[in-house]
Amino acid sequence: SQTIHQWPATLVQPVGSPLSLECTVEGTSNPNLYWYRQAAGRGLQLLFYSVGIGQISSEVPQNLSASRPQDRQFILSSKKLLLSDSGFYLCAWKSDSNQPQHFGDGTRLSIL
Amino acid sequence: SQKIEQNSEALNIQEGKTATLTCNYTNYSPAYLQWYRQDPGRGPVFLLLIRENEKEKRKERLKVTFDTTLKQSLFHITASQPADSATYLCALAGASGSARQLTFGSGTQLTVLP
Repeated sequence: SQTIHQWPATLVQPVGSPLSLECTVEGTSNPNLYWYRQAAGRGLQLLFYSVGIGQISSEVPQNLSASRPQDRQFILSSKKLLLSDSGFYLCAWKSDSNQPQHFGDGTRLSIL
Repeated sequence: SQKIEQNSEALNIQEGKTATLTCNYTNYSPAYLQWYRQDPGRGPVFLLLIRENEKEKRKERLKVTFDTTLKQSLFHITASQPADSATYLCALAGASGSARQLTFGSGTQLTVLP
């Protein structure tokens, strides 16, 4: 069966520091991959998605970037974190266009 | 602009009753709609998917309806239990594009009282 892993589960970073969040999927090949951010009490905001290695689409302009160096690996990065980057970051995958997305357990990012 | 609204941020019901959650959308022609459950500090868990040409879908105690004329989906939990307490999110998938991005509502927090 397919599984998705995100790490770390929680992260506290100072303003201006770099960021790297990793997401990996097991048990499937060539998945569509997604990064979301969820503010407290709000819905999920799509940040990036990828339909293949090296293919990244950005949904909102921001201080973050994404990369997909391997088929089942999706990385969310920042060179310099801002206070507004705090939030709950979720990675998701799906197998093809008509299937549901499945989420990891997220990373709680706090910026000090 | 596209908008998704879920009824009331919080809904309290007595154990054993049927919980009904509403998802309304405007300026959108979704190919399908999904419902997710999210517990505090966890990622959303997929529950049901209903396509634009389907009126109703069931899974155990869960039932989803989809009315593309009213632009509304209803999510029912019958014989509700305290363990059903969680936030429920609806999400709409666009009609085109291989990635089929989802647009999420802000969720309804359901509390089932014993």
